[in-house]
Amino acid sequence: GESVGLHLPTLSVQEGDNSIINCAYSNSASDYFIWYKQESGKGPQFIIDIRSNMDKRQGQRVTVLLNKTVKHLSLQIAATQPGDSAVYFCAVSPPGGGNKLTFGTGTQLKVEL
Amino acid sequence: GAVVSQHPSWVICKSGTSVKIECRSLDFQATTMFWYRQFPKQSLMLMATSNEGSKATYEQGVEKDKFLINHASLTLSTLTVTSAHPEDSSFYICSGNGRAYEQYFGPGTRLTVT
Repeated sequence: GESVGLHLPTLSVQEGDNSIINCAYSNSASDYFIWYKQESGKGPQFIIDIRSNMDKRQGQRVTVLLNKTVKHLSLQIAATQPGDSAVYFCAVSPPGGGNKLTFGTGTQLKVEL
Repeated sequence: GAVVSQHPSWVICKSGTSVKIECRSLDFQATTMFWYRQFPKQSLMLMATSNEGSKATYEQGVEKDKFLINHASLTLSTLTVTSAHPEDSSFYICSGNGRAYEQYFGPGTRLTVT
């Protein structure tokens, strides 16, 4: 099966600093990875995704890095803003799981002014 | 684009009653819809996968007779919590499949059973 975990349950950063949120996964055959942002009382919001044939992908202020050797995924947020405060989840599509996603435990990002 | 709505956004019901939650894809057709449950400060746990016109596939440990799922059209799936108990109080979230692996999530429904 697939298990997904996050290294830190809470991350506090100063406004303007860069944030790095980490995620580890267990199944080396996993081929699709997504980062979601969830604000309190709302559904998850897609941030960025990456497939296993890539090791880096950039979006607006966000970068996802995939290290398949150590089965590690990270989300980097540049110039973190107060509006970035939320819980961030990584999700993994396990091989043979169809379109199902397995979510990590989540990291609470707190942006301090 | 790719908007998913849920109704109601919150509901309070008495123990023993049933509650229906609707999930609609507003601007795309969702062949597959997923239902998740999320307890406070926890992650999303997949409950079931529903495909339009067929029976839902439930995850291990989820009671199919308690959580009835109907996916009657490409834009509507419903989750009915039957004989609700306080331990069923949770945040229920649905999602619909867009292209390939992409899932678009609804805003969630807060269920409180008293």
